[in-house]
Amino acid sequence: SYVLTQPPSVSVAPGQTARITCGGNNVGSKSMNWYQQKPGQAPVLVVYDDSDRPSGIPERISGSNSGNTATLTISRVEAGDEADYYCQVWDSSNDHVVFGGGTKLTVL
Amino acid sequence: EVKLVESGGGLEQPGGSLRLSCAASGFTFSGYSMNWVRQAPGKGLEWVSYISSSSGTIHYADSVKGRFIISRDNGKKSLFLQMNSLRAEDTAVYYCARVQGGPAAGTDYWGQGKLVTVSS
Repeated sequence: SYVLTQPPSVSVAPGQTARITCGGNNVGSKSMNWYQQKPGQAPVLVVYDDSDRPSGIPERISGSNSGNTATLTISRVEAGDEADYYCQVWDSSNDHVVFGGGTKLTVL
Repeated sequence: EVKLVESGGGLEQPGGSLRLSCAASGFTFSGYSMNWVRQAPGKGLEWVSYISSSSGTIHYADSVKGRFIISRDNGKKSLFLQMNSLRAEDTAVYYCARVQGGPAAGTDYWGQGKLVTVSS
């Protein structure tokens, strides 16, 4: 089955740039979606189809996807960005939705 | 405003059954595919099942295939998850969620989640 690998944690100082990676075999050929989840809340879609943002998501959140790695980039990080982030793709070889294990973003 | 509200769930013994419902409002329910996604306590997100807008296409995670059944009633704007032969490892918060398009699309709206606990 297809596997997406994320680092368990990423730490960044306020105002800096956070990059959260998601690795998978030839993941660049798949459409990547990213979710933000704060404690006690449902997930929120922040990037879809590799790099598109739903309405209401700030421009400082962006995504890219190429080769074996997709990246979620959060510029000018704020305290309110502290959350768990999950990547997700559709594995067409066995008709499964696949989530990465999640990355906890800590704002120092 | 798009709203998804789960109901049902609760505490059930191993081997038992539970049925989750999800009431949708604020959008044309019959035009969207839907997912069930779960999250065990302190763990990450796990996809459970997908159903297309017309119920013509259904997919399940290997962990629930043969035990869970997803269905929908477009006339009542409702999504369901029938959970049979429950196991302790099915304990989780279950979310219903709207899919933007086909199965590869992002899941753009989520319910608040419903806790299912399987324990004797």
